[in-house]
Amino acid sequence: NAGVMQNPRHLVRRRGQEARLRCSPMKGHSHVYWYRQLPEEGLKFMVYLQKENIIDESGMPKERFSAEFPKEGPSILRIQQVVRGDSAAYFCASSPGLASETQYFGPGTRLLVL
Amino acid sequence: KQEVTQIPAALSVPEGENLVLNCSFTDSAIYNLQWFRQDPGKGLTSLLLIQSSQREQTSGRLNASLDKSSGRSTLYIAASQPGDSATYLCAVSLGSGANNLFFGTGTRLTVIP
Repeated sequence: NAGVMQNPRHLVRRRGQEARLRCSPMKGHSHVYWYRQLPEEGLKFMVYLQKENIIDESGMPKERFSAEFPKEGPSILRIQQVVRGDSAAYFCASSPGLASETQYFGPGTRLLVL
Repeated sequence: KQEVTQIPAALSVPEGENLVLNCSFTDSAIYNLQWFRQDPGKGLTSLLLIQSSQREQTSGRLNASLDKSSGRSTLYIAASQPGDSATYLCAVSLGSGANNLFFGTGTRLTVIP
């Protein structure tokens, strides 16, 4: 039973380019969360999605960032026109549903913006 | 707004010593609290989850306690080993309808052989 999978594990982009981060939740999990960990800081919640729905995006920057979790396929976190301040580790977590509180984390994608 | 603080930020202990990591949170209306372990360049591994109605949870050499009214939790590690070296994070959840976690900045533990 594979855990939460994220790809790519490392991503390098130049300022102004787009970054697309993918997250495949654990089998049977329909809830996905994205967190960002800036250097020397704690993880900060960004967005919470269920299949085809954004439930809570209160932690997501209003501009340039978007997330989706389609009916088929992985969840995608998209960052347009990246800036150096976007350099961070982006973690995805999944859970089966509200009945289970434990979130299972992926290995993260480390984004470096040059 | 919920804020989670962990003290100390870093800790070095000789192998075999027992140790305590501290976590405090400002809003006591939490749903649960989790302790995670993060190894360098890796993801998070859940260690223990304490529901708001519970006082403690144990797993092997780890024991986590929760005092919800005072906004504190501790993680006790017995007989520390070099393999315990990692960053330990605590996180709180505010409710079953708002499942996002609020994380502390972590305690970086080094166990010296």
